[in-house]
Amino acid sequence: GQNIDQPTEMTATEGAIVQINCTYQTSGFNGLFWYQQHAGEAPTFLSYNVLDGLEEKGRFSSFLSRSKGYSYLLLKELQMKDSASYLCAVKGATNKLIFGTGTLLAVQP
Amino acid sequence: SAVISQKPSRDICQRGTSLTIQCQVDSQVTMMFWYRQQPGQSLTLIATANQGSEATYESGFVIDKFPISRPNLTFSTLTVSNMSPEDSSIYLCSVEGRGGYPEAFFGQGTRLTVV
Repeated sequence: GQNIDQPTEMTATEGAIVQINCTYQTSGFNGLFWYQQHAGEAPTFLSYNVLDGLEEKGRFSSFLSRSKGYSYLLLKELQMKDSASYLCAVKGATNKLIFGTGTLLAVQP
Repeated sequence: SAVISQKPSRDICQRGTSLTIQCQVDSQVTMMFWYRQQPGQSLTLIATANQGSEATYESGFVIDKFPISRPNLTFSTLTVSNMSPEDSSIYLCSVEGRGGYPEAFFGQGTRLTVV
């Protein structure tokens, strides 16, 4: 079967760094995506990894290890507005996106 | 990027009725995707809508319950038929990026409550 696992909830402090992990088992692999979703809003794209390594985009970085079926999203200099759900999604062999359960991040002052 | 307009943004419906959700994209796209997001859950793909052919449904979703139309390359509808309270969810349409961009773009979603 296909499975994508993320922690359900995380809490972090404003200004700190937080790492959200994602492990996956899918039939085929055509890329891993991270999306941010604020309550009541549509998901918005954050990052994309298809090769092993780290992709950096401002305060957000994403890492991928295909051999381990593992990714993480790193958020630096946390701001209150970063409180949201973070969705890990894998594009499998059929090129369809399979979403993880999402991690609800609460940033506290 | 793609701009996706989805409507209605929300609705409260009586059980046993049907609701049609519309999705309009600002450019021509080959595939459009419909997702369901149940309360507190992540996104589950319902079906893929291709212009000129029948939609392809994922396991657990059937055409009689979720008929889809795709009359042209910029528009699609999803109907939620014979609704029950279990159908209360957010429904989102999505398209893939263009010009080699791999990410998916989402409409703002339709928040459906069935009473």
